[in-house]
Amino acid sequence: GENVEQHPSTLSVQEGDSAVIKCTYSDSASNYFPWYKQELGKRPQLIIDIRSNVGEKKDQRIAVTLNKTAKHFSLHITETQPEDSAVYFCAASPLTGTASKLTFGTGTRLQVTL
Amino acid sequence: GAVVSQHPSWVICKSGTSVKIECRSLDFQATTMFWYRQFPKQSLMLMATSNEGSKATYEQGVEKDKFLINHASLTLSTLTVTSAHPEDSSFYICSARISGRSSTDTQYFGPGTRLTVL
Repeated sequence: GENVEQHPSTLSVQEGDSAVIKCTYSDSASNYFPWYKQELGKRPQLIIDIRSNVGEKKDQRIAVTLNKTAKHFSLHITETQPEDSAVYFCAASPLTGTASKLTFGTGTRLQVTL
Repeated sequence: GAVVSQHPSWVICKSGTSVKIECRSLDFQATTMFWYRQFPKQSLMLMATSNEGSKATYEQGVEKDKFLINHASLTLSTLTVTSAHPEDSSFYICSARISGRSSTDTQYFGPGTRLTVL
């Protein structure tokens, strides 16, 4: 089955700096890679996703890059703000069949300090 | 759009009792729903995939007789934790995919249910 590794487990940055979180996956059949933000005790919220037919996607301060050859993808947050502090999870999934399921990374706790 | 609700948001029960958690898609139909368990400071672990009108598919190591899943309609899936024990205490989260969009695999998550077994 799919195995997703995520690094770092914790990340502390100063407000205004950039944050980068990296994930690797094992199953070459995976072709959908979402990123979720989870605040303490709350539901995961989709913040951005990318499919294997593109290498990069950007949405305001958030961007995701994908390298299918190397089987890794990264989340980039620029101009970080205190409200970006949360746990971020990457995930991978094959877009085949109605039961295609997400495999999550272990999470990165991002803290943005003033 | 794409709102998923869960009920209850939290529950405390005695060891040996059963607890039912409901997951509803409020503004869309969901052929497939997923049930996850999340222990403190850990990732989401998929327990089972719930398919409307058929049996759920359980992940390896998840006891199907202990975690009963029913997906009787396109908007409701239920997870029943039978004979709950303290080690079942966790945050249970469901998610749903919009039916008919096989090319879009976005999963929308419910707010979660915190189960505490005394």
